Amino acid sequence: DIQMTQSPSSLSASVGDRVIITCRASQGIRDDLGWYQQRPGKAPKLLIYAASRLEGGVPSRFSGSGSGTEFTLTISSLEPEDFATYYCLQHNSDYSFGQGTKLE
Amino acid sequence: QIQLVQSGAEVQKPGASVRVSCKASGYTFNNYGLSWVRQAPGQGLEWMGWISTHNGKTNYAQKFQGRVAMTIDTSTSTAYLELGGLRSDDTAVYYCARVWGSFDYWGQGTLVTVSS
Repeated sequence: DIQMTQSPSSLSASVGDRVIITCRASQGIRDDLGWYQQRPGKAPKLLIYAASRLEGGVPSRFSGSGSGTEFTLTISSLEPEDFATYYCLQHNSDYSFGQGTKLE
Repeated sequence: QIQLVQSGAEVQKPGASVRVSCKASGYTFNNYGLSWVRQAPGQGLEWMGWISTHNGKTNYAQKFQGRVAMTIDTSTSTAYLELGGLRSDDTAVYYCARVWGSFDYWGQGTLVTVSS
């Protein structure tokens, strides 16, 4: 099984800050990775697919990068609605999520 | 528009089984697989398994093998998750999600509470 290690588990930030969240895969997964935002009481929402492609309708302040085993999600300038929990998901071999990053 | 609409909340006793449905609309059902994901209270997301809506082939996470079953009814574009041998730590919100590489559309979630 592929393990996804996400860091940090929580992050304190302010509106306007640049934020970077990282996921590391236990083995190479090419670019078979997505990033999700989850607000309390809601289903996760896809932000980034194929490691770096922005899902339609997602603001351009979100970006993804990486390939192989190291991946990052960057929010260039935080907006109030971005305070949520973020997850990565690999789909190279079965599926597995990172542990989540709570942005507060 | 693409929607996945799940059945309502359930309360079940330990040892019982639960079935959750996920009705798809707005796209061709058998062109995309479906996965099930659960989230215990205050916890992260956990993948449970995947089903092909083309031929019903399944792939279950090892943790759930032996007590999970995923099925589809193509005539109604509906997928089903059945989980048996319920324990208190199965209390969670259960989501279905359309698979297109990653999971691009999600149901609204179904809360399953296991309590005596």
